Amino acid sequence: GQNIDQPTEMTATEGAIVQINCTYQTSGFNGLFWYQQHAGEAPTFLSYNVLDGLEEKGRFSSFLSRSKGYSYLLLKELQMKDSASYLCAVRDSNYQLIWGAGTKLIIKP
Amino acid sequence: IAGITQAPTSQILAAGRRMTLRCTQDMRHNAMYWYRQDLGLGLRLIHYSNTAGTTGKGEVPDGYSVSRANTDDFPLTLASAVPSQTSVYFCASSEGLATDTQYFGPGTRLTVL
Repeated sequence: GQNIDQPTEMTATEGAIVQINCTYQTSGFNGLFWYQQHAGEAPTFLSYNVLDGLEEKGRFSSFLSRSKGYSYLLLKELQMKDSASYLCAVRDSNYQLIWGAGTKLIIKP
Repeated sequence: IAGITQAPTSQILAAGRRMTLRCTQDMRHNAMYWYRQDLGLGLRLIHYSNTAGTTGKGEVPDGYSVSRANTDDFPLTLASAVPSQTSVYFCASSEGLATDTQYFGPGTRLTVL
């Protein structure tokens, strides 16, 4: 079966750095996505990785290792508005997105 | 403002009733999707459409049907609602099935009693 694993919840301090991990086992691989979802709202796109390595976009970076079936999302200089759920999704061989259950990130002052 | 709209925002429905959730996008995207999101689970694909006139089944299609008469609209119908269909439903679109980012509508919160 297909599986995406992420921690259920993480807590971090405003101004700090946090790393959210995602491991996957899917039927094929055609890219990995990270989305942010604030409570009661729609998911919004953060990043996309299809090749190994680090993609940096402002305070957010995403890393991919296809051989390890592993990705992480790195959030720097945390702000209170970063409190949200972070969803990892992998596009499989049928080009459908398989979603993890999400990691709820709580930012404390 | 370009994007995806969904209606209604929320709905309480009696079991056995028929219900259609509406989704409209104005980005001229070819591909559209319906997901359900339940607490503790990832988004699960119900149905999708590569382009107008075609539809396909996702991971959890039973009890749901869709149509894609034109590029902009992708309604989801529950023929006879059951309590297990209580969920938040998101419509999404992308330029193509195999390309890039999916953009999501604001969601419909459906409760079936």
